[in-house]
Amino acid sequence: DTGVSQDPRHKITKRGQNVTFRCDPISEHNRLYWYRQTLGQGPEFLTYFQNEAQLEKSRLLSDRFSAERPKGSFSTLEIQRTEQGDSAMYLCASSLARDRYTFGSGTRLTVV
Amino acid sequence: QQPVQSPQAVILREGEDAVINCSSSKALYSVHWYRQKHGEAPVFLMILLKGGEQKGHEKISASFNEKKQQSSLYLTASQLSYSGTYFCGTEYGSSNTGKLIFGQGTTLQVKP
Repeated sequence: DTGVSQDPRHKITKRGQNVTFRCDPISEHNRLYWYRQTLGQGPEFLTYFQNEAQLEKSRLLSDRFSAERPKGSFSTLEIQRTEQGDSAMYLCASSLARDRYTFGSGTRLTVV
Repeated sequence: QQPVQSPQAVILREGEDAVINCSSSKALYSVHWYRQKHGEAPVFLMILLKGGEQKGHEKISASFNEKKQQSSLYLTASQLSYSGTYFCGTEYGSSNTGKLIFGQGTTLQVKP
């Protein structure tokens, strides 16, 4: 069990650019979640996968956000045409069924 | 709907006790508790299931009141290492997704 890995740890991008983040969950975990966290707030749900199927996407998420989990393994989160309001910590978590989450260390995105 | 945590912040001396509450307006299936230190990922503390028993972890324990849809986290004889932000994550009874909605957090500072 190597934990949940996220890459990159930090990303600085110019407004309007596209960015992609990667999450490698614990291999036995069939569920994978993406959350966004801003300073002083709790993690906010973005989307969720069970195996390779994306089963839910937050209504707060605009069409600029897309996520994939090919073959039910790693996942990617892409943000197109980034805006300053997208600056946040993006957290990935995995779990087995409805069990505890294991979070990755997150990707901190700064849009300038 | 986001669960409500109280208090927002607590300052303790080493050895003192604290209680953090998490309330939901919707029926819950489970309540998770996580602790996050500055710049780090949230770390799992415990999970309480509907109809389940009070769970303990070292000197940290929690309860789940189904009638009130409220969970409380009890920290006894606090240590410096308990400092951080505590989040409850709630899973609603009807979801079966394992998706957690997190509260806004309670910041705990333990002083020597």
